[in-house]
Amino acid sequence: NAGVTQTPKFRVLKTGQSMTLLCAQDMNHEYMYWYRQDPGMGLRLIHYSVGEGTTAKGEVPDGYNVSRLKKQNFLLGLESAAPSQTSVYFCASSRLSSGTGPHNEQFFGPGTRLTVL
Amino acid sequence: AQSVTQLGSHVSVSEGALVLLRCNYSSSVPPYLFWYVQYPNQGLQLLLKYTSAATLVKGINDFEAEFKKSETSFHLTKPSAHMSDAAEYFCAVSDRDSSASKIIFGSGTRLSIRP
Repeated sequence: NAGVTQTPKFRVLKTGQSMTLLCAQDMNHEYMYWYRQDPGMGLRLIHYSVGEGTTAKGEVPDGYNVSRLKKQNFLLGLESAAPSQTSVYFCASSRLSSGTGPHNEQFFGPGTRLTVL
Repeated sequence: AQSVTQLGSHVSVSEGALVLLRCNYSSSVPPYLFWYVQYPNQGLQLLLKYTSAATLVKGINDFEAEFKKSETSFHLTKPSAHMSDAAEYFCAVSDRDSSASKIIFGSGTRLSIRP
């Protein structure tokens, strides 16, 4: 199993350009997440999905859109990139939680380093 | 709102010394707690998690953490540091009622190991 993969690994954009980050998982996980990681701020949740065709906003959703057309893929889009979106982006996935049982582990991809000039 | 505070953005210890990384949480009810590790240029990996089964939780690579409700703490320890432990460590919290297993991360502690 490849686990969680992210494409591309690196990208440089100019302000105003658009791009899509692709996340794929082969573990049949229901839940998928997009985070951004900035120095001294840990990871912050951008958007997440609890299943195919459903998405929801996280802590810092502004300037991003997402889609989950297939269970195994979760796409993160930047319509008009800004320098404030320079960051490392991580995708994660986890299995469905059973009621109030312990939350399942999130599995992370290797990250995409994005620079917006 | 839930949160975690990691005391010390950078900790340096000698090889073979005790590792202690501090984490305090803020939650109205005992939450689920996690420690993740991030090696350079990699994603995060789960070290251990607390889900109320036992207050002392053992993880991979001899790491362990103790949940102390009275102190609202979940500090990470390892008896003897190894050079390969150099990484960034994140404490995280999840509300038992949280949908989609959402978790909130602390700001991270970078662990350096001196030869």
